[in-house]
Amino acid sequence: DAGVIQSPRHEVTEMGQEVTLRCKPISGHNSLFWYRQTMMRGLELLIYFNNNVPIDDSGMPEDRFSAKMPNASFSTLKIQPSEPRDSAVYFCASSRTYDQPQHFGDGTRLSIL
Amino acid sequence: DAKTTQPNSMESNEEEPVHLPCNHSTISGTDYIHWYRQLPSQGPEYVIHGLTSNVNNRMASLAIAEDRKSSTLILHRATLRDAAVYYCILRDVDNQGGKLIFGQGTELSVKP
Repeated sequence: DAGVIQSPRHEVTEMGQEVTLRCKPISGHNSLFWYRQTMMRGLELLIYFNNNVPIDDSGMPEDRFSAKMPNASFSTLKIQPSEPRDSAVYFCASSRTYDQPQHFGDGTRLSIL
Repeated sequence: DAKTTQPNSMESNEEEPVHLPCNHSTISGTDYIHWYRQLPSQGPEYVIHGLTSNVNNRMASLAIAEDRKSSTLILHRATLRDAAVYYCILRDVDNQGGKLIFGQGTELSVKP
């Protein structure tokens, strides 16, 4: 079975540019989660969706960050404009329902120069 | 949020059992105890979870103290592939939805 698929795996871009991270959850999973991992702050939940609806976005750092889930098989996390402090590994995870174990993708390593 | 306390690091020898401790003295009655692990350069991976009773699956066993203030993840025979950061997480799906709040975890190294 295909797991959670994230793209791109690596992204290097200059400060001020728009960055879009993509996630395809496991088919049949109704909940989707976006996390960010840095050395300083560890793994942090940014936002999660149930049935394509954002439920809790309290972890989104600021208005430069936005996330969408237009359908059950696709989600995006966008940063506009990007800043060097946004450099991190971004993980997407999905689960059958919000209370089931989460399955993580391999992450997108983002570097903002 | 109820917090967990884990040792920063532990060492083990290959093919020996490993006991990873976790303290959660402020656990509430609706908190489930979850364990995830993160191998180098990968996303976290679900290991096991439980509420009150000990649990076993193909990856590991979870031993939960009678007062639920602590738990232990048991890897029965460590392999080199088990070297990872292990996270013990309290999850209250009734009050916090699906949130997983990761701490710093225990970095397990396995020696051949």
